[in-house]
Amino acid sequence: GIQVEQSPPDLILQEGANSTLRCNFSDSVNNLQWFHQNPWGQLINLFYIPSGTKQNGRLSATTVATERYSLLYISSSQTTDSGVYFCAVETTDSWGKFQFGAGTQVVVTP
Amino acid sequence: DAGVIQSPRHEVTEMGQEVTLRCKPISGHNSLFWYRQTMMRGLELLIYFNNNVPIDDSGMPEDRFSAKMPNASFSTLKIQPSEPRDSAVYFCASSLNQAGYEQYFGPGTRLTVT
Repeated sequence: GIQVEQSPPDLILQEGANSTLRCNFSDSVNNLQWFHQNPWGQLINLFYIPSGTKQNGRLSATTVATERYSLLYISSSQTTDSGVYFCAVETTDSWGKFQFGAGTQVVVTP
Repeated sequence: DAGVIQSPRHEVTEMGQEVTLRCKPISGHNSLFWYRQTMMRGLELLIYFNNNVPIDDSGMPEDRFSAKMPNASFSTLKIQPSEPRDSAVYFCASSLNQAGYEQYFGPGTRLTVT
């Protein structure tokens, strides 16, 4: 099956800092989503981004499908950005089945 | 708009007991997914339905687990008998259709089996 690798595994940021999270995948994908799992355990949709670039406030994401990676940018981080960020992908061979990465644990300190 | 609804939010039960988790997908969504999250294995897909029909149950760990979707607005995941290793957070998600569409997750059910 497809391999999904996220880096870094952990990230500690001072409030106001910028950061980049990476998701590498081993096969062609027809669906890619970024999620934020907050400290209460909720999985919140950030981006549906099988290709291209999207922005939502301080967050933006870029997927380069031909090179099999996606990036999530957090700018001017806030303490509410703390949590785990997951990348999930679906391939044409795994129709309907998401494979999640192990996540990046982000801690933003005041 | 209501999102995906799951109940109960927390369940504590003793080993050997039957556990039933419930999910109501977003209205109009044709696909429903059950996931399990543990520290050891992360987030893994257990089973998914499209138009109320089970499409892929290859992630269901063993025969003690079963899932049903009797109609478009309700699904259950049942564990009988439960074991301590079933302790995890169980998420339900839904999407417009089974592939290539954004999935939306419910708040999860935290199951503890003692």
